[in-house]
Amino acid sequence: EPEVTQTPSHQVTQMGQEVILRCVPISNHLYFYWYRQILGQKVEFLVSFYNNEISEKSEIFDDQFSVERPDGSNFTLKIRSTKLEDSAMYFCASRGAGGAAETQYFGPGTRLLVL
Amino acid sequence: AQKVTQAQTEISVVEKEDVTLDCVYETRDTTYYLFWYKQPPSGELVFLIRRNSFDEQNEISGRYSWNFQKSTSSFNFTITASQVVDSAVYFCALRPNNNDMRFGAGTRLTVKP
Repeated sequence: EPEVTQTPSHQVTQMGQEVILRCVPISNHLYFYWYRQILGQKVEFLVSFYNNEISEKSEIFDDQFSVERPDGSNFTLKIRSTKLEDSAMYFCASRGAGGAAETQYFGPGTRLLVL
Repeated sequence: AQKVTQAQTEISVVEKEDVTLDCVYETRDTTYYLFWYKQPPSGELVFLIRRNSFDEQNEISGRYSWNFQKSTSSFNFTITASQVVDSAVYFCALRPNNNDMRFGAGTRLTVKP
């Protein structure tokens, strides 16, 4: 069964460093998302991406964050200068369009730890 | 406002008991989608069910059942004859007629043998 994949599964970085989290959405999906979950808290929406541009973003998604679909398969989240409070699990999700395709399928997550 | 409330932070039951996880949502949209996801200790988010706002039929899938009531803006989830493997955090989520999915705070379910 097709699934969303994410790499790396874990990333440790120093405060101020740039990180890139990678996702490969399900191949025929059209909408892509990033969410984060701070340890023990709820899942929070960061950004959605469709037709090669951001369609929506939350207040969390400030200028330190950017997303890109550099080729036909990858979808990346970049954090330019990480802060301690960026430590969280980051989930990528994707969905198709219409009907049953309204379901967002999540990747296994990347656990980011900023020291 | 688009909001999901899961008032039960933690529930603990003994195996074979039935348990209901509550979810109440708020939205002004007439078209929206509701979801339940399971997050086991390994951390991934596992999709369980999707409902759109025009489909109030309740659904049963094995030991799982869902009760969607628009009149009370609720989408409750019942596990019948719970098992230890059901132990997880369960999230209810609302996607209004846009892309922004809002999750509830989650309910941590512990099923003891």
